[in-house]
Amino acid sequence: ETGVTQTPRHLVMGMTNKKSLKCEQHLGHNAMYWYKQSAKKPLELMFVYNFKEQTENNSVPSRFSPECPNSSHLFLHLHTLQPEDSALYLCASRQTGRSYNEQFFGPGTRLTVL
Amino acid sequence: GENVEQHPSTLSVQEGDSAVIKCTYSDSASNYFPWYKQELGKGPQLIIDIRSNVGEKKDQRIAVTLNKTAKHFSLHITETQPEDSAVYFCAATSNQAGTALIFGKGTTLSVSS
Repeated sequence: ETGVTQTPRHLVMGMTNKKSLKCEQHLGHNAMYWYKQSAKKPLELMFVYNFKEQTENNSVPSRFSPECPNSSHLFLHLHTLQPEDSALYLCASRQTGRSYNEQFFGPGTRLTVL
Repeated sequence: GENVEQHPSTLSVQEGDSAVIKCTYSDSASNYFPWYKQELGKGPQLIIDIRSNVGEKKDQRIAVTLNKTAKHFSLHITETQPEDSAVYFCAATSNQAGTALIFGKGTTLSVSS
């Protein structure tokens, strides 16, 4: 276990549904990330939060809405998704500092949009 | 922005052989280069990393080399074992204040016994 948990592990939803992905880190880190992993593509950075503040939004469509209520929890709210949004969504966390430190990943949520 | 290219996309070796995966990056300001291993059903896990002030780093059967001039770095796995079979990703810090990692597309390594 890496200290980063994600729920649910699998999710199937229709294009009109609204759902949320949850990430929790037990490592005391102050930065959290959402990545999208599609087949045969690099991990795509979606959002970055530092000390609960969003510092990067990597041109992600508005149907993905992140929320970071505190430095241990991160959510990704989903609505009116498209089939091409089907992917593995990975959460990660790290402790920011003078040098870049290891980024710890959760196991991911496998999302299927019908 | 940063761009990371990774080769090969697939690699098959016999148990006991060595495996080498190569990556190139575009941003000369990148200063941190981790390698992640992802097993089926799991998230990526760091196996080794190197910073730009070092040319080589080893950890048992795994080593990473960095050539800053050529902007490429490589992962070397010696005496491969079946449990080394996984997808391996290289990454480099982005040029946006180094707040995130840019990943390569991954290499699927298969070690047959």
